[in-house]
Amino acid sequence: GAGVSQSPSNKVTEKGKDVELRCDPISGHTALYWYRQSLGQGLEFLIYFQGNSAPDKSGLPSDRFSAERTGGSVSTLTIQRTQQEDSAVYLCASSLEIGAPTNEKLFFGSGTQLSVL
Amino acid sequence: AQTVTQSQPEMSVQEAETVTLSCTYDTSESDYYLFWYKQPPSRQMILVIRQEAYKQQNATENRFSVNFQKAAKSFSLKISDSQLGDAAMYFCAYRGGNKLVFGAGTILRVKS
Repeated sequence: GAGVSQSPSNKVTEKGKDVELRCDPISGHTALYWYRQSLGQGLEFLIYFQGNSAPDKSGLPSDRFSAERTGGSVSTLTIQRTQQEDSAVYLCASSLEIGAPTNEKLFFGSGTQLSVL
Repeated sequence: AQTVTQSQPEMSVQEAETVTLSCTYDTSESDYYLFWYKQPPSRQMILVIRQEAYKQQNATENRFSVNFQKAAKSFSLKISDSQLGDAAMYFCAYRGGNKLVFGAGTILRVKS
């Protein structure tokens, strides 16, 4: 597609349920990021995928959070046993990166607004 | 760990005037990049401007320019001739390795 696509755009779930958030990056982009943005707050880094390298999971807040990236393209962020504090906008971004650090810009999706009741 | 601080939660500017958004960062690295991103109500983050730390010349993009002070670890964004469409949340970001670290953001309001 033309940009980074995230689905669903909104998700309402009950406390204790599992949710899956999907990200379709721009075709050919080697790097993929997940960020979390709580109401009125900045972006909190969650996880980073780069090519075939092991992902950087250092930002995942607990073992209830996991993510995978299949075939170097689509990524799924899974939150198990959701809690109310998980309510936030989850943003995905992709980038064409070769090496680090880099000044390549990130292309962001419009995010998934997750509400845990 | 690198940190990015935006000390202004909210700023206001009159249309056609100039406004400066502040950003400071903390790092021990010598090679890194700095960015300003804009987030309108649509939630989609848009790159406004970027700066390489090894370049002394401040980056400019049309009405947007930065004041990069490496020794002071300061990276402010100046918006000239402000327009209503500039109203958004602005995030300063730092990259020294894999991760892009963001500040807490500054809400910019533009008055007509």
